[in-house]
Amino acid sequence: DAKTTQPPSMDCAEGRAANLPCNHSTISGNEYVYWYRQIHSQGPQYIIHGLKNNETNEMASLIITEDRKSSTLILPHATLRDTAVYYCIVRLGNYGQNFVFGPGTRLSVLP
Amino acid sequence: EPEVTQTPSHQVTQMGQEVILRCVPISNHLYFYWYRQILGQKVEFLVSFYNNEISEKSEIFDDQFSVERPDGSNFTLKIRSTKLEDSAMYFCASSEWLGLHSNQPQHFGDGTRLSIL
Repeated sequence: DAKTTQPPSMDCAEGRAANLPCNHSTISGNEYVYWYRQIHSQGPQYIIHGLKNNETNEMASLIITEDRKSSTLILPHATLRDTAVYYCIVRLGNYGQNFVFGPGTRLSVLP
Repeated sequence: EPEVTQTPSHQVTQMGQEVILRCVPISNHLYFYWYRQILGQKVEFLVSFYNNEISEKSEIFDDQFSVERPDGSNFTLKIRSTKLEDSAMYFCASSEWLGLHSNQPQHFGDGTRLSIL
């Protein structure tokens, strides 16, 4: 089973920031937090990952709480094309280990 | 940007037949994976592959399934004696290996939709 808990769905107005929360209260010290999204029936798309520091790339920002028990993915200016299912996954940073996908959060960006 | 490519995009097969799904991972990646997603359900891990052998497999990946890297570029999933419940999207993924504790993400292809009739 997935080690994370996410709300099943969220709405966001186009142009506004989308903040997607994730709880991972049982995360261990060497487990990373990864975020993926799946648009319609396409393959999961990698967004960002981190261990304990906040991370930012061209797609999003990842904010991890100091105790690492939760995190937030931030899409700074959501567009209609960001409508997707977003998955928060906790995984050891070890080679070959698979990802365990939960049901994710279905984000709807509204015009 | 390099990407994982999968062929065919849609495969229709009669129940009981064998099917081979093909994937071309990103060229400098050394770890390869197969996942599946039954319509409306979660993405499920099937198998991971490194150095020409299976690293890890799930309960789903039984004797009906096999994987192979027949040459330097392709990675295949073979399903023998297909059943109706094998109908799903099958995703291939690959990742770099930068050492024992590499945290590199997996990059997924857009999948093959397998329909068993």
